[in-house]
Parts: sequence; structure tokens; C-alpha cells
Amino acid sequence: GENVEQHPSTLSVQEGDSAVIKCTYSDSASNYFPWYKQELGKGPQLIIDIRSNVGEKKDQRIAVTLNKTAKHFSLHITETQPEDSAVYFCAASEETSGSRLTFGEGTQLTVNP
Amino acid sequence: NAGVMQNPRHLVRRRGQEARLRCSPMKGHSHVYWYRQLPEEGLKFMVYLQKENIIDESGMPKERFSAEFPKEGPSILRIQQVVRGDSAAYFCASSVRQAAYEQYFGPGTRLTVT
Repeated sequence: GENVEQHPSTLSVQEGDSAVIKCTYSDSASNYFPWYKQELGKGPQLIIDIRSNVGEKKDQRIAVTLNKTAKHFSLHITETQPEDSAVYFCAASEETSGSRLTFGEGTQLTVNP
Repeated sequence: NAGVMQNPRHLVRRRGQEARLRCSPMKGHSHVYWYRQLPEEGLKFMVYLQKENIIDESGMPKERFSAEFPKEGPSILRIQQVVRGDSAAYFCASSVRQAAYEQYFGPGTRLTVT
């Protein structure tokens, strides 16, 4: 089955700096890679996703890159703000598995004002 | 537009009791996934259902756990004879169809077994 590893487990940055979170996956058949933001006591919120036919996707201050050959993908947040502080999860799925998501262990991002 | 709804938000059960967790998917969504999140861990897939069908239950423990998604009404995750190790947050996600990929999560039910 699919295995997703995520690094780092904690990340602390100053407001305005960039933050990068990296994930690797094991199943070359995976073709969909979403990122979720989870605030304390809440459910995961989909913030951006990328499919395997695309190498990069951007939405305002957040971007995701995908390297299918190396089987890794990354989340980039620019101009970080205190409200970006949360736990971020990467995930992977592929259609024949019913699209169930396999999650990384999460990254606790803290943006210091 | 109402999002995915889960209730109760918090549930306390004593060892040996039954827990019933309910999930109403987003309007227009007919695919439901249940995930479990242990304290300070990532989410783990449990079961995938469509209306009246269990499509994939490979992540769900064989004993004490069951799930359903009837033609009418919410999806139900049922845990019989709960044990302390069942204490976790249980999240439901829905999608409009299997191939659409995007899954939208509810706020979760936090189960505490005393």
C-alpha cells in the first residue's frame, strides 16, 4: 500500500518569511496530491491540490510542486502570517484505490509575529 | 451551502458501551469516507461508502466496528463495546464522485472512552 512521509514535523518561521513542507510517497500509481490545513479542534481544510499531469500549481501565497520521478511533492507558503499557524498534512491517492487518501504525519507550523 | 456535518461533536462513553457517530455529506455528494485521528498523529483511512454500499473497508478493524450509508439519512460509524484505545477524533469526508478526488472534511467527532 501507499506510504507517505512528511518533513519536518515542526516548523517555526518569522512573519513574512517563507515556509516549505516536503512529502515523499511510495506508490508510483498515485496521481492526486492534496494539502490540508488543520486548526486546533477543527477538521482538515483542503487548501490546494495537484494532479500528476501538472508539475506546479499556485494559489495566491501558496504553491505546490510535484516531482513524479523522485516521488516527492512540496508545499510552499510565502509571506507567512500568524493566521497560517496550524498543522499541515500532505496526502496521496490513486483512482483504483477508490480515491482514499493516505496522509503524512503532519507538520506543526508556527508563524511568530 | 452547508458543508459536511458530523454529530455529536464530542462523545463520552464508558468501556463496553456503544458509540454511534453520524455524518451528513455535502449536498450533492454521494461518496463518504471515514478517517480516524489518534492524538498527535495523522489521519488513517477506515472505510469508503456510497449510498447503500460499502466500497472499501480495508482500514476498519474487523471486530466491533461497522459502517453504513443508507439510501436516506446520514452515514453511521458504529463502535460496539468501546475500549480506551478507541479514544480518537473521527472525521468524515465527502466527495461528489469517486474520480473527483477532492474530499471535504467535517469538523469531526471526538470520542473519549473512560
